[in-house]
Amino acid sequence: RKEVEQDPGPFNVPEGATVAFNCTYSNSASQSFFWYRQDCRKEPKLLMSVYSSGNEDGRFTAQLNRASQYISLLIRDSKLSDSATYLCVVNAGSARQLTFGSGTQLTVLP
Amino acid sequence: DADVTQTPRNRITKTGKRIMLECSQTKGHDRMYWYRQDPGLGLQLIYYSFDVKDINKGEISDGYSVSRQAQAKFSLSLESAIPNQTALYFCATQNDPKGTQYFGPGTRLLVL
Repeated sequence: RKEVEQDPGPFNVPEGATVAFNCTYSNSASQSFFWYRQDCRKEPKLLMSVYSSGNEDGRFTAQLNRASQYISLLIRDSKLSDSATYLCVVNAGSARQLTFGSGTQLTVLP
Repeated sequence: DADVTQTPRNRITKTGKRIMLECSQTKGHDRMYWYRQDPGLGLQLIYYSFDVKDINKGEISDGYSVSRQAQAKFSLSLESAIPNQTALYFCATQNDPKGTQYFGPGTRLLVL
């Protein structure tokens, strides 16, 4: 079982739609959680951290369920510029390395 | 100027050649990482360093070596390149173990 699993997609949604991505992690000792965004052939960049109580940043909402070892990202009112691959990232392991999911590809269509 | 830089940005080499990828950062972070990314596989950790005297193997270190010349510089070497090392390589820095990582722009490597 992979340490961090994501639905690879692709998700193709119309502009203005709401889309949700899910991610599960296997290490119950994980302490930090993030969503990164990666544009095609570019470096990953932090989108948002994920806090235990859930958090929102504009159109983006992240949720964490420690009991189910599950993280989600909700994007409301999708824009064309949201098209990218979204990486679920978990801090875990004895050396507390970041473990990256393989990413979920999103394409927002006009 | 970018906080994390990588050179070269693109490289084509032949099987058996030695190649070095360089990473420099101006963020003042002690922790630095090298990853490779292959299509559909996500980022895989090659090596990481928590300070100049601390080097650790990641999940896929075979065929690679690293050098931490200074806090700001972390180099990745392929002693004898092989075609399945063709990939996109990223360097990253981190300030604390629970914090986010900041990535360089990547080096696209093709081994023929």
